[in-house]
Amino acid sequence: NAGVTQTPKFQVLKTGQSMTLQCAQDMNHNSMYWYRQDPGMGLRLIYYSASEGTTDKGEVPNGYNVSRLNKREFSLRLESAAPSQTSVYFCASSELTTGRNEQYFGPGTRLTVT
Amino acid sequence: GEDVEQSLFLSVREGDSSVINCTYTDSSSTYLYWYKQEPGAGLQLLTYIFSNMDMKQDQRLTVLLNKKDKHLSLRIADTQTGDSAIYFCAEIPDSSYKLIFGSGTRLLVRP
Repeated sequence: NAGVTQTPKFQVLKTGQSMTLQCAQDMNHNSMYWYRQDPGMGLRLIYYSASEGTTDKGEVPNGYNVSRLNKREFSLRLESAAPSQTSVYFCASSELTTGRNEQYFGPGTRLTVT
Repeated sequence: GEDVEQSLFLSVREGDSSVINCTYTDSSSTYLYWYKQEPGAGLQLLTYIFSNMDMKQDQRLTVLLNKKDKHLSLRIADTQTGDSAIYFCAEIPDSSYKLIFGSGTRLLVRP
C-alpha cells in the first residue's frame, strides 16, 4: 500500500518554464489537496478537490492550475514559473472533506526556480 | 480570524518528557491534529482530538485540550532521538474543508 505518491521528488526550473507535479493516491479517498511549505510559514493550501470532477481554490492559488484527472490522481501545473514559487510542494488526500478530515501526505516535491 | 501559533524550537534530553504547545483562535474548531515531519519527508499524522474531549492518550503521546483558553499541547513521554522532528498542530473549523496549520515546532532530542 503506497499511500500518496508524488513525482518528481526534485525539480529545478528557469523562470518562465512550465511543469506539472503529479500526485496519486491508492486509498480510494474522495478528497485531494495541494499545499506548499515555506520556511517558518507552515503549510498553505493552494487548491483542493473535494471529489472527482471538482476543484476549488485554497489560500494561495495564484500562478497555479490543477486537474483532478480521476479519483486517484490530482496534478498541479505551473504555467510560467517564478522564483517566488520555489518551495516544497505536498499533495494530500482524505476520505472526507469535512468533519474528521484526516489528511495523509505524500513525500513532497522540492522545486527551485532560478 | 483563523490562526494557529506554536513556539519555534524545543530542546530536551533523551528520556525526558517533551511538551509542545499550540494556541488557536477559531472556537468552532471540531478536530485538532498533531502531525510529525521528519527531515526530507512528508507530514505524518500522529494523533487527533475531538473538541469535546479534554485529553487523549496514545502510548507515549498525551494530547491535552483547553477549549476555554484555545490551547492544545502534545506531551511525549520518554523522548527518544527518533522523536527529533518538526511537529505541527492543525485545526479544522466546523464544516470546513481547510486544515489550518501552525508554523511548526522543531524538537531536538539530545543524547
